[in-house]
Amino acid sequence: DGGITQSPKYLFRKEGQNVTLSCEQNLNHDAMYWYRQDPGQGLRLIYYSQIVNDFQKGDIAEGYSVSREKKESFPLTVTSAQKNPTAFYLCASSTRLGPGLGEAFFGQGTRLTVV
Amino acid sequence: GIQVEQSPPDLILQEGANSTLRCNFSDSVNNLQWFHQNPWGQLINLFYIPSGTKQNGRLSATTVATERYSLLYISSSQTTDSGVYFCAVVGVGETSGSRLTFGEGTQLTVNP
Repeated sequence: DGGITQSPKYLFRKEGQNVTLSCEQNLNHDAMYWYRQDPGQGLRLIYYSQIVNDFQKGDIAEGYSVSREKKESFPLTVTSAQKNPTAFYLCASSTRLGPGLGEAFFGQGTRLTVV
Repeated sequence: GIQVEQSPPDLILQEGANSTLRCNFSDSVNNLQWFHQNPWGQLINLFYIPSGTKQNGRLSATTVATERYSLLYISSSQTTDSGVYFCAVVGVGETSGSRLTFGEGTQLTVNP
């Protein structure tokens, strides 16, 4: 089936540790995104990538890092510098349509808890 | 960057009622989407609607791009419609045109 796969679904991290969240898509989309959602809040953009080997910071990039070595993969690392990492993380992808973007699709999310 | 405002923030309905959710945006857009976030957190695509009107069963949406708003209509609501509804836009321009910007959502509760 075509889609976006995030893993793991639940992740527990000790304070001071880095963790990496996986996002893989087989939709042949150029653009990929990472969002963070806190309880009762909307989605905030962490990083996005329009093409392989290129990515840009979103609104809340501090304490996070990404890579885009393959078109289908966009892993997110939550570093120890991120002060409040407990949140729900969502990955998305879309095509590019001329100057804009096509329809975006989301993975099922990863719930990260710092213990 | 582009701003997205959704109203109302919360909405409580009885099963069978109709409702209208609104999304206002501050600038021209290339793309507008409506999503439903289910209780497990997954975002379900409802409409990709940069302009015009679309219908899918009991749901329909209208975007008036020139007036910078979109409406999502839910008719004959069911308890399974409960959840958060998000509007998200892609603006025009190098930065806002490369990202999807979300509103804060409308929390819908449908009671039996």
